[in-house]
Amino acid sequence: GDSVTQMEGPVTLSEEAFLTINCTYTATGYPSLFWYVQYPGEGLQLLLKATKADDKGSNKGFEATYRKETTSFHLEKGSVQVSDSAVYFCATTDTGRRALTFGSGTRLQVQP
Amino acid sequence: NAGVTQTPKFQVLKTGQSMTLQCAQDMNHNSMYWYRQDPGMGLRLIYYSASEGTTDKGEVPNGYNVSRLNKREFSLRLESAAPSQTSVYFCASSEAAHRNIQYFGAGTRLSVL
Repeated sequence: GDSVTQMEGPVTLSEEAFLTINCTYTATGYPSLFWYVQYPGEGLQLLLKATKADDKGSNKGFEATYRKETTSFHLEKGSVQVSDSAVYFCATTDTGRRALTFGSGTRLQVQP
Repeated sequence: NAGVTQTPKFQVLKTGQSMTLQCAQDMNHNSMYWYRQDPGMGLRLIYYSASEGTTDKGEVPNGYNVSRLNKREFSLRLESAAPSQTSVYFCASSEAAHRNIQYFGAGTRLSVL
């Protein structure tokens, strides 16, 4: 079945550091790929998405490129802020097209 | 904009008790979902409703029932709560299934003792 694998957390960075959170997926067909973010005490909200190979999703300084050849969708940001501290989830549409399949989440902690 | 509203926010149950988690959305979305979130496991789909009048099982449906009361509301019921159902429950909605952006509620934190 479909699955999403994310790097283990927590990831601890200093403010203005470069961020990479790795995500790889297994899926049949041509899934869409998503990054969701969960701030403390809140539900998940969409951060960015890509719907086909080589698409780059971007939002709030975050970027991720849909790499079909490596089945990856790594999240990057050039300069993180304390306000980026949250849990980040990579997700894909499942084979049955019912809902989303999520990775286990990666907690990011940014220190001033 | 209210978006997706879940009630209650917190609940403590004893083993064997029943309860219903409520979810309502005001975005006129067709599809609604219930997930549970457990540490280290991401979100897992319990049930979903592709449109009003239809419901289908997700990855972990055992011990739960759902009702799509109308287009706005999608409730999740635990008939006889078990400690293994201690979790954070999220409701979500989208315009349609497949590839569409899902909007999430703030969650219900449930503890079963």
